[in-house]
Amino acid sequence: SQQGEEDPQALSIQEGENATMNCSYKTSINNLQWYRQNSGRGLVHLILIRSNEREKHSGRLRVTLDTSKKSSSLLITASRAADTASYFCATDSTGNQFYFGTGTSLTVIP
Amino acid sequence: DTAVSQTPKYLVTQMGNDKSIKCEQNLGHDTMYWYKQDSKKFLKIMFSYNNKELIINETVPNRFSPKSPDKAHLNLHINSLELGDSAVYFCASSLPSGANVLTFGAGSRLTVL
Repeated sequence: SQQGEEDPQALSIQEGENATMNCSYKTSINNLQWYRQNSGRGLVHLILIRSNEREKHSGRLRVTLDTSKKSSSLLITASRAADTASYFCATDSTGNQFYFGTGTSLTVIP
Repeated sequence: DTAVSQTPKYLVTQMGNDKSIKCEQNLGHDTMYWYKQDSKKFLKIMFSYNNKELIINETVPNRFSPKSPDKAHLNLHINSLELGDSAVYFCASSLPSGANVLTFGAGSRLTVL
């Protein structure tokens, strides 16, 4: 299967703490992307990391990529209640084929 | 001015019926997709069209037939609906190549009774 697999499936933290979620995949990729899905809504793109990059930052988000281990992590620093959502990684092998996993459900408690 | 819009948002129907979900994007993207999200939130790609041509068909039953009248529209028609078709169906679009990202619609929740 080309799907990514997120870990943990669910994560509950206090506001202000950091949240880390992981993604593992099986095939070689061009890039890996993280998306966020609020309850009852569509997915929204957060950040993209290319296969030749090891780390990328965007605001409170930090993404790492280890292509030798076929894994990525998403760190959300200083979490807020509004960060409560499901987070998905998506792998892109050819430029227009995106494969998702089941996501990590994050709950940030105020 | 919604970028990717899909209708209807909710659809409740009986087993055996035929239904359609429509999707339109105003982003000028060449590639459009249908994804199915099940009750466990697993998001599975179903189809991908690039400029009206089918490029991905991920082992979807032939009861599902996508139709792309132009590159801004990708509709999904489902024949002989089954209970297992109940899910949220998402339309998305992207530019055709390179490090592109997906823009999703809000989803269409299909419930088959």
